[in-house]
Amino acid sequence: DAGVTQSPTHLIKTRGQHVTLRCSPISGHKSVSWYQQVLGQGPQFIFQYYEKEERGRGNFPDRFSARQFPNYSSELNVNALLLGDSALYLCASSLLAGVPLNTEAFFGQGTRLTVV
Amino acid sequence: GENVEQHPSTLSVQEGDSAVIKCTYSDSASNYFPWYKQELGKGPQLIIDIRSNVGEKKDQRIAVTLNKTAKHFSLHITETQPEDSAVYFCAAQRYQGGKLIFGQGTELSVKP
Repeated sequence: DAGVTQSPTHLIKTRGQHVTLRCSPISGHKSVSWYQQVLGQGPQFIFQYYEKEERGRGNFPDRFSARQFPNYSSELNVNALLLGDSALYLCASSLLAGVPLNTEAFFGQGTRLTVV
Repeated sequence: GENVEQHPSTLSVQEGDSAVIKCTYSDSASNYFPWYKQELGKGPQLIIDIRSNVGEKKDQRIAVTLNKTAKHFSLHITETQPEDSAVYFCAAQRYQGGKLIFGQGTELSVKP
């Protein structure tokens, strides 16, 4: 079975530009979460989507937005890029089903975004 | 607020020794505590987790303990091997399936 896949793996953008990152969850998983990982730190929560609805939002500016599609894949969009947005962007998928609820989160390899 | 403190930030051990990484969480409503291993250039890999109704869980050379009263949980790796070298993150989750709050990470180096 394929794990969580993210594209692209690396990206270089200029300040002020817009970027779209993509994520395909593990087959059967209905929840996708996005995290930002700055070098040397732990991942920081950005968004969670479940069944195409936003389930949670972290402390990030409105320049960050996301959505989940009917096939449960997801996009993270960042507008007006700043140098400080340079980071590894991680997508995690979870099943969120079963009794007890299966909440394990599995991460993709990430997209390394560099803003210059 | 929600916070997870992780110590130490770096840990160097000889092959075959044990390694212990400790985390403290602030939100008493947290009930799920996973541990991730992240190798260079890769995403975090779930290696073990524990829920609040359990005090200890073991999987081969890896074990996790949880003290809910003290809001502490720890990762124990026995008989360390060079391939255990990586950055390890603890995390806490407040409600089922919700966001994960991560610690700052521990860079483990196992010297042959």
